[in-house]
Amino acid sequence: GAVVSQHPSRVICKSGTSVKIECRSLDFQATTMFWYRQFPKKSLMLMATSNEGSKATYEQGVEKDKFLINHASLTLSTLTVTSAHPEDSSFYICSAVKTGGAGELFFGEGSRLTVL
Amino acid sequence: GIQVEQSPPDLILQEGANSTLRCNFSDSVNNLQWFHQNPWGQLINLFYIPSGTKQNGRLSATTVATERYSLLYISSSQTTDSGVYFCAGGETSGSRLTFGEGTQLTVNP
Repeated sequence: GAVVSQHPSRVICKSGTSVKIECRSLDFQATTMFWYRQFPKKSLMLMATSNEGSKATYEQGVEKDKFLINHASLTLSTLTVTSAHPEDSSFYICSAVKTGGAGELFFGEGSRLTVL
Repeated sequence: GIQVEQSPPDLILQEGANSTLRCNFSDSVNNLQWFHQNPWGQLINLFYIPSGTKQNGRLSATTVATERYSLLYISSSQTTDSGVYFCAGGETSGSRLTFGEGTQLTVNP
């Protein structure tokens, strides 16, 4: 159990468009999800904490108007990159904590965004 | 926030060798995990180990919470073990994780 699915796995878009990435916990409920960003050959950096039914908490330096997060249900969080630019190209990974679980985080497969 | 220091940054082994990866934390953590990132980028959960010792096949991990470090042991390494290994820690159970910089492991045949 504890499967987290991200979609799409790869997306290429034109500069100025918006892209939505979905993160779903398939076999458990997740009150809390996290969104990370990873640059090539670098570590993962936390972007924001997504809580079901409330506003996301963004890390310092992350533009909340650029990276819109919605956590409308206990199994789905979405990250929308608005007005994307080439510098937004990156690998985005979500993770979810099982509600009532031991506290272990489970990660999705990641979404590779390329902005032309 | 918590700082996570991983060592070594790079490790090259011959198949069959054993290795130890280390993670030091700047503060107490109650949420500690080890991951293997595969070539496609997915993070594979290896251990959830805020304290104590766990083993899973050729892999084992030990966390000494009072001294704020954790070790990942890989025995009889195989070429398929190659990749990046991350440790990550959080202040409380289920809290956000801060990642180390990773160890790039290469196992040669």
